[in-house]
Amino acid sequence: GQQVMQIPQYQHVQEGEDFTTYCNSSTTLSNIQWYKQRPGGHPVFLIQLVKSGEVKKQKRLTFQFGEAKKNSSLHITATQTTDVGTYFCAGPGGNKLVFGAGTILRVKS
Amino acid sequence: GAGVSQSPSNKVTEKGKDVELRCDPISGHTALYWYRQSLGQGLEFLIYFQGNSAPDKSGLPSDRFSAERTGGSVSTLTIQRTQQEDSAVYLCASSLLHQFNEQFFGPGTRLTVL
Repeated sequence: GQQVMQIPQYQHVQEGEDFTTYCNSSTTLSNIQWYKQRPGGHPVFLIQLVKSGEVKKQKRLTFQFGEAKKNSSLHITATQTTDVGTYFCAGPGGNKLVFGAGTILRVKS
Repeated sequence: GAGVSQSPSNKVTEKGKDVELRCDPISGHTALYWYRQSLGQGLEFLIYFQGNSAPDKSGLPSDRFSAERTGGSVSTLTIQRTQQEDSAVYLCASSLLHQFNEQFFGPGTRLTVL
């Protein structure tokens, strides 16, 4: 079945440094979604990308969808302590969303 | 409007007992999903409902797990004869139509089996 892989599994950065998480699918995706889960919280939808090569920005967050629609990335510029949490990518697989394992981000102040 | 709600928020039970977890999706959302998340782990898909039907039950770990949805709204996840490995946070999510729409997650039920 379809697999969605995320790297790195874990990243610990100094406040102000940049952070990137990468998502790769074993199959071409019609769209990709990104979610953020704060410690102790539940996943919250961030964005959906649909078009090949699409780039979307939300303040310090930049999301990219690959040209082949099999990979995606989330880049955070100048991380803040409010960015801590786990970032998940997810793509449609059959009649459900297949989630990556997530990247845990910790920020040292 | 109201988001997805789940009850109870916490459940502690003894091994071998049955438990029922409830999910109230956002009104009008036809798709409903159950996930399980162990500490520090990712989201494990359990079951998907479209209306009252469950086209995909492939994630249910064993026949001790079952779920139903009534009236195209409330869903209950039942775990019979609970085992210690069932301890996890059980998350419910709903979306407007299907897997191409964003999912709205509830706060989860933390299940502890002693």
